Amino acid sequence: DSGVTQTPKHLITATGQRVTLRCSPRSGDLSVYWYQQSLDQGLQFLIQYYNGEERAKGNILERFSAQQFPDLHSELNLSSLELGDSALYFCASSVAPAGGDTKTQYFGPGTRLLVL
Amino acid sequence: TQLLEQSPQFLSIQEGENLTVYCNSSSVFSSLQWYRQEPGEGPVLLVTVVTGGEVKKLKRLTFQFGDARKDSSLHITAAQPGDTGLYLCAGAPGSGGSNYKLTFGKGTLLTVNP
Repeated sequence: DSGVTQTPKHLITATGQRVTLRCSPRSGDLSVYWYQQSLDQGLQFLIQYYNGEERAKGNILERFSAQQFPDLHSELNLSSLELGDSALYFCASSVAPAGGDTKTQYFGPGTRLLVL
Repeated sequence: TQLLEQSPQFLSIQEGENLTVYCNSSSVFSSLQWYRQEPGEGPVLLVTVVTGGEVKKLKRLTFQFGDARKDSSLHITAAQPGDTGLYLCAGAPGSGGSNYKLTFGKGTLLTVNP
């Protein structure tokens, strides 16, 4: 158990719909990262938040957005869903309290999204 | 854009055999990480290598970072069915700071048959 929690574990929805994925980082971790994993593209970095602020963007579509709340949990919003958005979405957290390894990312169990 | 190529993509071996998985790039990374991912789970960090030429051992797993910090290898001795999983390498740019984007390879799917 990495200490990172993600909900829901599975999500089935239809094209055109909007969904929200939730992530709670490990206690004390300030950074949250979102990744998309598909069979053809592998694990792709989407976006990073650090202590509530966006810090880095990767291959994130304009239909997707994220935010990190004051309690450090994060949500990834996916809208106008397309069939190709079906994938595993992982959240990871890093930046342990002072003295820890700030570079190690700990991954949650993921949310499997199926768009029909 | 930094890319990491992993090979082989798939590997199926018998219990007790040795194997090596490769991770190559034309880019230099400040560090490189290896993860193992099991079905239905997120990737779990196995090791981080930082120094060019560095070798780290984790029981039957040996990890090496290339001298130029562009490539890495993972060698498993006497593979066991419990080693089955998707092995991912990930490279980190720069050092320190709060911006820490990892670039992942597509992985090597290892199956160890009893």
